[in-house]
Amino acid sequence: QVVLTQSPSASASLGASVNLTCTLSSGQSSYAIAWHQQQPEKGPRYLMKVNSDGSHNKGDGIPDRFSGSSSGAERYLTISSLQSEDEADYYCQTWGTGIWVFGGGTKLTVL
Amino acid sequence: EVQLVESGGGSVQPGGSLRLSCAASGFTFSTYWMSWVRRAPGKGLEWVANIKQEGSAQYYVDSVKGRFTISRDNAKNSLYLQMNSLRAEDTAVYYCARPWNANYFDSWGQGTLVTVSS
Repeated sequence: QVVLTQSPSASASLGASVNLTCTLSSGQSSYAIAWHQQQPEKGPRYLMKVNSDGSHNKGDGIPDRFSGSSSGAERYLTISSLQSEDEADYYCQTWGTGIWVFGGGTKLTVL
Repeated sequence: EVQLVESGGGSVQPGGSLRLSCAASGFTFSTYWMSWVRRAPGKGLEWVANIKQEGSAQYYVDSVKGRFTISRDNAKNSLYLQMNSLRAEDTAVYYCARPWNANYFDSWGQGTLVTVSS
């Protein structure tokens, strides 16, 4: 059973950069994941898919400030030039045969 | 533009039933898997159920198996979730989502709130 682990919270200053991490459970380092953003009182929004080789493909309209990468069992979401509207919950998500899994989410605070 | 619009949420007593609907537009509905995902108060996103294009296969998270049924009407571009024997822990905002190639969710609705309380 695949498990995705995320830190519950992160914070960074306006205009700075932040890296959010999603860790795949043991033996699943080849899995691709997707990142989703959920702003307060809104539905989730697909950001990008990140493959095990670090390649990623973003959703329509996702700014260049958002990028993805990989290292081993870790998948990263980097947000540069932080803006106030980036304050949101961020979830990683993966899939297997008959199962779809989310990480616990990271609440990003923009200071 | 892909649009997913949920409806049917509301308040219900424990043990009761509710049927959620999702109206899809902007894409060829019949060629995509579809899903329901929920977010309980103070918790994260949780996948609930998926259904294959023609409805021939459905998958559920263990906590709703035997109580929830996902279905679709491709002629009406609509997705449904029949929820029976509802429990307090089913209280959540329920989102309709489209899983690209049955993998990652690339489109989401705005959600409909289900509250289970006596």
